[in-house]
Amino acid sequence: SQQGEEDPQALSIQEGENATMNCSYKTSINNLQWYRQNSGRGLVHLILIRSNEREKHSGRLRVTLDTSKKSSSLLITASRAADTASYFCATDYLTYYGNNRLAFGKGNQVVVIP
Amino acid sequence: GAGVSQSPSNKVTEKGKDVELRCDPISGHTALYWYRQSLGQGLEFLIYFQGNSAPDKSGLPSDRFSAERTGGSVSTLTIQRTQQEDSAVYLCASSLAGTSGGYRSEQYFGPGTRLTVT
Repeated sequence: SQQGEEDPQALSIQEGENATMNCSYKTSINNLQWYRQNSGRGLVHLILIRSNEREKHSGRLRVTLDTSKKSSSLLITASRAADTASYFCATDYLTYYGNNRLAFGKGNQVVVIP
Repeated sequence: GAGVSQSPSNKVTEKGKDVELRCDPISGHTALYWYRQSLGQGLEFLIYFQGNSAPDKSGLPSDRFSAERTGGSVSTLTIQRTQQEDSAVYLCASSLAGTSGGYRSEQYFGPGTRLTVT
């Protein structure tokens, strides 16, 4: 299975603290992407890291990728109440049909307490 | 600019009825995807369109599910003879391209249609 798996699956932190989530996957990927979902509705793309990159930053987000361990982490620094959401990792890989497909993990629920 | 839109936002239907879910992707996005998300679960891939054709429909769970896309734009997901296990949020996403990795594969999601089969 290509599907990513996030760990831990539920995280509750105080505002201002950092939140770290991990994701593992099983096969070769083109890139790995992190998405956020509020209230079980549409997902919002956060950041993409290519398979030849090891670390990437975007604002308060830091993503790492270790292809030898087939794992990635998402760090949210100085968390805010508005960061409360579910976070999904998705691995981008080429399918048998020639298209790229995103395989999503089950998500991390993060609650930031004001 | 306008994002991905989906309609209806909520749909309640009786078991056995047919339903149609609509997706309007971002203009210019050639790739379109349908996903299903059950409560507390990740996204389950259903089907991928490149233009009007669907080279990957391997995620459709049964022959009661079908989808089409016209004019390289609007897509409709149809579920025939709905069952209670079809209850879920159906999400549509589009991207610039579906056959190359990198930023062109970033997907933009609609708000979803919450389907409840009673």
